[in-house]
Amino acid sequence: GNSVTQMEGPVTLSEEAFLTINCTYTATGYPSLFWYVQYPGEGLQLLLKATKADDKGSNKGFEATYRKETTSFHLEKGSVQVSDSAVYFCALSPMEYGNKLVFGAGTILRVKS
Amino acid sequence: ETGVTQSPTHLIKTRGQQVTLRCSSQSGHNTVSWYQQALGQGPQFIFQYYREEENGRGNFPPRFSGLQFPNYSSELNVNALELDDSALYLCASSLDSASIGETEAFFGQGTRLTVV
Repeated sequence: GNSVTQMEGPVTLSEEAFLTINCTYTATGYPSLFWYVQYPGEGLQLLLKATKADDKGSNKGFEATYRKETTSFHLEKGSVQVSDSAVYFCALSPMEYGNKLVFGAGTILRVKS
Repeated sequence: ETGVTQSPTHLIKTRGQQVTLRCSSQSGHNTVSWYQQALGQGPQFIFQYYREEENGRGNFPPRFSGLQFPNYSSELNVNALELDDSALYLCASSLDSASIGETEAFFGQGTRLTVV
Protein backbone atom coordinates (compact mmCIF):
# COMPACT_ATOMS: atom_id res chain seq x y z
CA GLY A 1 0.00 0.00 0.00
CA ASN A 2 0.88 3.66 0.07
CA SER A 3 2.65 5.04 3.13
CA VAL A 4 4.95 7.82 4.29
CA THR A 5 7.58 7.60 7.01
CA GLN A 6 9.22 10.68 8.42
CA MET A 7 11.73 11.21 11.17
CA GLU A 8 10.40 11.43 14.67
CA GLY A 9 10.62 14.67 16.55
CA PRO A 10 10.76 16.94 18.17
CA VAL A 11 13.70 18.44 16.35
CA THR A 12 15.20 21.31 18.33
CA LEU A 13 17.59 23.71 16.61
CA SER A 14 19.16 27.05 17.30
CA GLU A 15 18.35 29.96 15.02
CA GLU A 16 20.38 29.94 11.77
CA ALA A 17 21.10 26.20 12.04
CA PHE A 18 20.73 23.86 9.06
CA LEU A 19 17.55 21.79 8.97
CA THR A 20 16.94 18.35 7.51
CA ILE A 21 13.73 16.39 8.07
CA ASN A 22 13.86 12.96 6.49
CA CYS A 23 10.92 11.53 4.57
CA THR A 24 10.67 8.22 2.72
CA TYR A 25 7.67 6.77 1.00
CA THR A 26 6.19 3.54 -0.30
CA ALA A 27 4.01 3.73 -3.38
CA THR A 28 3.60 2.23 -6.81
CA GLY A 29 4.72 4.21 -9.80
CA TYR A 30 5.31 7.93 -9.49
CA PRO A 31 3.22 9.60 -6.81
CA SER A 32 3.26 13.35 -6.32
CA LEU A 33 5.08 14.41 -3.15
CA PHE A 34 4.37 17.26 -0.79
CA TRP A 35 5.48 19.00 2.38
CA TYR A 36 2.77 20.65 4.45
CA VAL A 37 3.34 22.85 7.49
CA GLN A 38 1.00 23.36 10.45
CA TYR A 39 1.71 26.42 12.59
CA PRO A 40 0.23 26.51 16.11
CA GLY A 41 -3.50 27.09 15.99
CA GLU A 42 -3.65 27.10 12.20
CA GLY A 43 -4.64 24.70 9.43
CA LEU A 44 -2.30 22.82 7.13
CA GLN A 45 -0.53 24.91 4.50
CA LEU A 46 1.19 23.58 1.42
CA LEU A 47 4.90 24.36 1.73
CA LEU A 48 6.22 22.79 -1.47
CA LYS A 49 5.59 19.96 -3.89
CA ALA A 50 7.21 17.87 -6.62
CA THR A 51 5.29 15.86 -9.17
CA LYS A 52 7.98 13.81 -10.91
CA ALA A 53 11.34 12.22 -10.24
CA ASP A 54 14.31 14.60 -9.82
CA ASP A 55 11.99 17.62 -9.48
CA LYS A 56 12.97 20.05 -6.73
CA GLY A 57 10.24 21.86 -4.84
CA SER A 58 11.16 25.08 -3.07
CA ASN A 59 9.45 27.81 -1.08
CA LYS A 60 10.40 30.26 1.68
CA GLY A 61 13.97 28.92 1.74
CA PHE A 62 12.85 25.30 2.12
CA GLU A 63 13.77 22.72 -0.52
CA ALA A 64 13.08 19.05 -1.20
CA THR A 65 14.10 16.86 -4.13
CA TYR A 66 12.05 13.91 -5.40
CA ARG A 67 14.43 10.94 -5.35
CA LYS A 68 12.86 7.92 -7.01
CA GLU A 69 15.90 5.70 -6.52
CA THR A 70 15.82 6.14 -2.73
CA THR A 71 12.04 6.82 -2.50
CA SER A 72 12.81 9.92 -0.49
CA PHE A 73 11.74 13.56 -0.29
CA HIS A 74 13.84 15.09 2.49
CA LEU A 75 13.07 18.66 3.58
CA GLU A 76 16.02 21.05 4.00
CA LYS A 77 16.57 24.67 4.94
CA GLY A 78 19.93 26.35 5.19
CA SER A 79 19.17 28.70 8.07
CA VAL A 80 16.08 28.28 10.24
CA GLN A 81 14.30 31.05 12.10
CA VAL A 82 12.21 31.01 15.24
CA SER A 83 9.17 31.62 13.03
CA ASP A 84 9.77 28.23 11.35
CA SER A 85 8.71 26.46 14.54
CA ALA A 86 5.78 24.28 13.49
CA VAL A 87 4.78 20.71 12.65
CA TYR A 88 5.92 19.52 9.23
CA PHE A 89 4.09 16.76 7.35
CA CYS A 90 5.39 14.84 4.38
CA ALA A 91 2.63 13.52 2.11
CA LEU A 92 2.07 11.74 -1.17
CA SER A 93 -0.74 11.59 -3.69
CA PRO A 94 -0.89 8.11 -5.23
CA MET A 95 -0.85 7.70 -8.99
CA GLU A 96 -3.91 5.46 -8.91
CA TYR A 97 -5.84 7.78 -6.65
CA GLY A 98 -4.60 11.22 -7.41
CA ASN A 99 -7.12 13.16 -5.43
CA LYS A 100 -6.26 12.04 -1.91
CA LEU A 101 -3.25 12.68 0.30
CA VAL A 102 -1.43 10.10 2.39
CA PHE A 103 0.41 11.81 5.26
CA GLY A 104 3.31 10.91 7.49
CA ALA A 105 2.99 11.30 11.25
CA GLY A 106 4.52 14.76 11.30
CA THR A 107 7.73 16.17 12.75
CA ILE A 108 7.69 18.92 15.36
CA LEU A 109 10.35 21.57 14.77
CA ARG A 110 11.35 23.91 17.59
CA VAL A 111 13.76 26.73 16.84
CA LYS A 112 15.37 28.54 19.77
CA SER A 113 16.69 32.09 19.60
CA GLU B 1 -11.36 35.42 -1.87
CA THR B 2 -12.44 33.66 1.31
CA GLY B 3 -10.56 30.66 2.63
CA VAL B 4 -11.85 27.34 3.90
CA THR B 5 -13.91 27.72 7.05
CA GLN B 6 -15.03 24.98 9.40
CA SER B 7 -17.56 24.99 12.20
CA PRO B 8 -17.68 24.52 15.04
CA THR B 9 -14.06 24.91 16.14
CA HIS B 10 -14.49 22.69 19.18
CA LEU B 11 -17.18 20.41 20.52
CA ILE B 12 -17.66 17.74 23.12
CA LYS B 13 -20.00 14.80 22.58
CA THR B 14 -20.94 11.71 24.54
CA ARG B 15 -20.22 8.21 23.31
CA GLY B 16 -23.12 6.93 21.19
CA GLN B 17 -24.24 10.37 20.07
CA GLN B 18 -24.21 11.74 16.54
CA VAL B 19 -22.30 14.79 15.31
CA THR B 20 -22.33 17.00 12.21
CA LEU B 21 -19.33 19.05 11.20
CA ARG B 22 -19.50 21.72 8.52
CA CYS B 23 -17.11 23.09 5.94
CA SER B 24 -17.36 26.00 3.54
CA SER B 25 -15.03 25.56 0.62
CA GLN B 26 -12.86 28.28 -0.83
CA SER B 27 -14.58 30.41 -3.43
CA GLY B 28 -14.52 28.71 -6.82
CA HIS B 29 -13.61 25.27 -5.46
CA ASN B 30 -15.90 22.34 -6.27
CA THR B 31 -14.12 19.52 -4.42
CA VAL B 32 -14.05 18.92 -0.68
CA SER B 33 -12.04 16.27 1.16
CA TRP B 34 -12.29 15.33 4.83
CA TYR B 35 -9.44 14.08 6.99
CA GLN B 36 -9.20 12.81 10.56
CA GLN B 37 -6.09 13.79 12.53
CA ALA B 38 -5.66 11.92 15.80
CA LEU B 39 -3.39 13.46 18.41
CA GLY B 40 0.26 13.12 17.43
CA GLN B 41 -0.53 11.60 14.05
CA GLY B 42 -0.83 12.72 10.47
CA PRO B 43 -4.22 13.33 8.85
CA GLN B 44 -6.01 10.30 7.41
CA PHE B 45 -8.29 10.54 4.37
CA ILE B 46 -11.95 9.90 5.17
CA PHE B 47 -13.65 10.72 1.86
CA GLN B 48 -13.99 13.28 -0.90
CA TYR B 49 -16.96 14.95 -2.55
CA TYR B 50 -16.89 16.30 -6.08
CA ARG B 51 -19.91 18.12 -7.48
CA GLU B 52 -22.18 16.67 -4.77
CA GLU B 53 -21.12 13.03 -5.31
CA GLU B 54 -18.79 10.93 -3.16
CA ASN B 55 -15.58 10.54 -5.11
CA GLY B 56 -13.46 8.17 -3.09
CA ARG B 57 -13.37 6.90 0.45
CA GLY B 58 -10.65 5.89 2.87
CA ASN B 59 -10.70 3.08 5.41
CA PHE B 60 -13.50 4.41 7.61
CA PRO B 61 -16.72 2.63 8.62
CA PRO B 62 -20.13 3.56 7.17
CA ARG B 63 -21.08 5.49 10.29
CA PHE B 64 -18.87 8.22 8.78
CA SER B 65 -20.96 9.84 6.05
CA GLY B 66 -21.04 13.11 4.22
CA LEU B 67 -22.87 15.49 1.97
CA GLN B 68 -21.96 18.20 -0.45
CA PHE B 69 -24.40 20.95 -1.30
CA PRO B 70 -24.95 22.85 -4.57
CA ASN B 71 -22.79 25.71 -3.26
CA TYR B 72 -20.04 23.08 -2.68
CA SER B 73 -20.08 23.40 1.08
CA SER B 74 -19.98 20.06 2.86
CA GLU B 75 -20.95 18.21 6.00
CA LEU B 76 -19.32 15.30 7.77
CA ASN B 77 -21.66 13.19 9.89
CA VAL B 78 -20.52 10.63 12.39
CA ASN B 79 -23.06 8.32 14.03
CA ALA B 80 -22.69 6.20 17.15
CA LEU B 81 -19.64 8.10 18.35
CA GLU B 82 -16.82 6.12 19.91
CA LEU B 83 -14.04 7.36 22.18
CA ASP B 84 -11.51 6.76 19.38
CA ASP B 85 -13.37 9.27 17.19
CA SER B 86 -11.81 12.03 19.30
CA ALA B 87 -9.61 13.91 16.85
CA LEU B 88 -9.13 17.04 14.78
CA TYR B 89 -11.29 16.87 11.65
CA LEU B 90 -9.88 18.75 8.70
CA CYS B 91 -11.64 19.85 5.57
CA ALA B 92 -9.73 20.65 2.39
CA SER B 93 -11.07 22.23 -0.77
CA SER B 94 -9.62 22.20 -4.25
CA LEU B 95 -10.62 23.23 -7.73
CA ASP B 96 -11.59 19.81 -9.10
CA SER B 97 -10.98 16.13 -8.65
CA ALA B 98 -8.05 15.95 -11.05
CA SER B 99 -4.72 14.76 -9.74
CA ILE B 100 -3.89 16.66 -6.62
CA GLY B 101 -0.39 17.12 -7.95
CA GLU B 102 -1.90 19.52 -10.45
CA THR B 103 -4.00 21.52 -8.06
CA GLU B 104 -3.51 22.73 -4.51
CA ALA B 105 -5.70 21.64 -1.63
CA PHE B 106 -6.47 24.39 0.89
CA PHE B 107 -7.18 23.26 4.44
CA GLY B 108 -9.42 24.76 7.07
CA GLN B 109 -8.34 25.12 10.69
CA GLY B 110 -10.28 22.05 11.69
CA THR B 111 -12.89 21.02 14.23
CA ARG B 112 -11.59 19.52 17.46
CA LEU B 113 -14.02 16.75 18.49
CA THR B 114 -13.80 15.22 21.96
CA VAL B 115 -15.89 12.16 22.73
CA VAL B 116 -16.38 11.39 26.42
